[in-house]
Amino acid sequence: GNSVTQMEGPVTLSEEAFLTINCTYTATGYPSLFWYVQYPGEGLQLLLKATKADDKGSNKGFEATYRKETTSFHLEKGSVQVSDSAVYFCALMPNNYGQNFVFGPGTRLSVLP
Amino acid sequence: GAVVSQHPSRVICKSGTSVKIECRSLDFQATTMFWYRQFPKQSLMLMATSNEGSKATYEQGVEKDKFLINHASLTLSTLTVTSAHPEDSSFYICSAIVGRGEEGYTFGSGTRLTVV
Repeated sequence: GNSVTQMEGPVTLSEEAFLTINCTYTATGYPSLFWYVQYPGEGLQLLLKATKADDKGSNKGFEATYRKETTSFHLEKGSVQVSDSAVYFCALMPNNYGQNFVFGPGTRLSVLP
Repeated sequence: GAVVSQHPSRVICKSGTSVKIECRSLDFQATTMFWYRQFPKQSLMLMATSNEGSKATYEQGVEKDKFLINHASLTLSTLTVTSAHPEDSSFYICSAIVGRGEEGYTFGSGTRLTVV
């Protein structure tokens, strides 16, 4: 079956620190990969995505590269800000129309000033 | 872009009462909607898939008589939590497919349900 594994949080960093949140997946075929962010009390927002191997998704300084050989989609940011404090979910979409997302457990990030 | 409007954002209800959550697609037709549930500090778990004009498909372990899903039109899907109990307190989020393909998904803003 399909599954997503993320590094456990919470992750606490100082402002301007480098961020990495690991994500690995198990899937049949060629899924699309996503990172979603959830700010306190809000719903999910798409942060970035990649639809095929070696694609790099990027947005707001965050990046993640679809690595098929290691089945990974690690999220990185070179310099985090306090406003990046949120829960980050790695997710996959199987390569079939009409399928639901499979989410990782989420990683809570706290950035201190 | 495509927007799904979810209401209410927060609701507090008494045990034994029913609560209806609406998800409405504002500028597109949502043939399929997914309903997720998120327990505190946990990930989103798929509850059910609803297709316009047909019965919803529930995931294993989800009580279909407790969580009633109606998808009567291409722009509206509702989730009704019947005879709510404190253990039903959770964050519920809907998601809709926009067009075709893996890029065409959008999420509602979520509903925090508290049953007292």
